[in-house]
Amino acid sequence: NAGVMQNPRHLVRRRGQEARLRCSPMKGHSHVYWYRQLPEEGLKFMVYLQKENIIDESGMPKERFSAEFPKEGPSILRIQQVVRGDSAAYFCASSQGSGLTDTQYFGPGTRLTVL
Amino acid sequence: AQKVTQAQTEISVVEKEDVTLDCVYETRDTTYYLFWYKQPPSGELVFLIRRNSFDEQNEISGRYSWNFQKSTSSFNFTITASQVVDSAVYFCALSEAGTGFQKLVFGTGTRLLVSP
Repeated sequence: NAGVMQNPRHLVRRRGQEARLRCSPMKGHSHVYWYRQLPEEGLKFMVYLQKENIIDESGMPKERFSAEFPKEGPSILRIQQVVRGDSAAYFCASSQGSGLTDTQYFGPGTRLTVL
Repeated sequence: AQKVTQAQTEISVVEKEDVTLDCVYETRDTTYYLFWYKQPPSGELVFLIRRNSFDEQNEISGRYSWNFQKSTSSFNFTITASQVVDSAVYFCALSEAGTGFQKLVFGTGTRLLVSP
């Protein structure tokens, strides 16, 4: 059973470009969470999605960031007009249910570098 | 407000030593969950344990053990007879029931270096 998959693993963008990060949850999981890890810091929650719905996006910056989890295909975290401060590792996690005891399984992360 | 503090930034030990990683949390919720995750050099996060606020029983899994004390708001993690493969960054995390879903709040992590 494949784990959570994220691609690309490394992404380099110049300031002003767009970054698209993809996350395929574990088989049978319909709940996806995105976290951001800045250098030397812990992970910070960004957004929680279920299929075709954004449930909570309280951790998402108000501008330039968006996320989706379509009925078919992976979840996408999109960052428009990237700036140097967006350089970070972005982790996706998935869970089978929405319960408080459902374990979140994390992907390997996408390391975004903005030049 | 919820907060997780891991005061130890980095710990270095020699193989076979025991090591304890500290975690202190803050929450106003009476029902909450505590977690430990391991981040090896490869980068992914590996789930280690989840504890709910009503279960203060300590847990042991092989060389790993966890000590949950509500009186001191701590959830410490001990590795017995450490091995080189234990070298990783370890994160403690908290989730409050009042959030409605598992919104993990992470500490800043403790980097453990185990040398041969």
